[in-house]
Amino acid sequence: AQRVTQPEKLLSVFKGAPVELKCNYSYSGSPELFWYVQYSRQRLQLLLRHISRESIKGFTADLNKGETSFHLKKPFAQEEDSAMYYCALTSSGYSTLTFGKGTMLLVSP
Amino acid sequence: DAGVIQSPRHEVTEMGQEVTLRCKPISGHNSLFWYRQTMMRGLELLIYFNNNVPIDDSGMPEDRFSAKMPNASFSTLKIQPSEPRDSAVYFCASRQDSGNTIYFGEGSWLTVV
Repeated sequence: AQRVTQPEKLLSVFKGAPVELKCNYSYSGSPELFWYVQYSRQRLQLLLRHISRESIKGFTADLNKGETSFHLKKPFAQEEDSAMYYCALTSSGYSTLTFGKGTMLLVSP
Repeated sequence: DAGVIQSPRHEVTEMGQEVTLRCKPISGHNSLFWYRQTMMRGLELLIYFNNNVPIDDSGMPEDRFSAKMPNASFSTLKIQPSEPRDSAVYFCASRQDSGNTIYFGEGSWLTVV
């Protein structure tokens, strides 16, 4: 079975501080990991996928298979980063995405 | 493309009434998903269609919920009768089978009083 755990419901930081949103997963197959972001009252948007190995809006995430983690990081948080962040997983043999419960990031001025 | 289109955006209804939520996936996408979002449970997959056929409906809470996809460009999620605990945001999403990225609609905000 697939499972995604985001241990923090809320993460509050000051502008300019580093941010790390944690995501751990369990899977049965080859995992593909995603981060989705949801700004206030808007749709979920894809932020990152691990196979792309890219940086979007200053965010990066590295898949660590040994620790089964896919933490989302940004060195300097901005107020506009305030949003709900969801980690999601799919794997070979599954056609759907399994989401974590999400972490609300609040960036204060 | 306009993306995944959902209607209505907001609905307030009385307990016991029928609710129908509608979705138009992105043109060319083979898979369609209905998710429910609540504060307590986060995002839950309700049902997944592939090429208009329901593949996995294990997330549908109970018989009051039903979903259809009569053609590649339209799906409905129906709740009959509705209950206050059904209050949530219902997201429709679609994906092209050649990729793994799922694209979401803006959601239907349902309040059952």
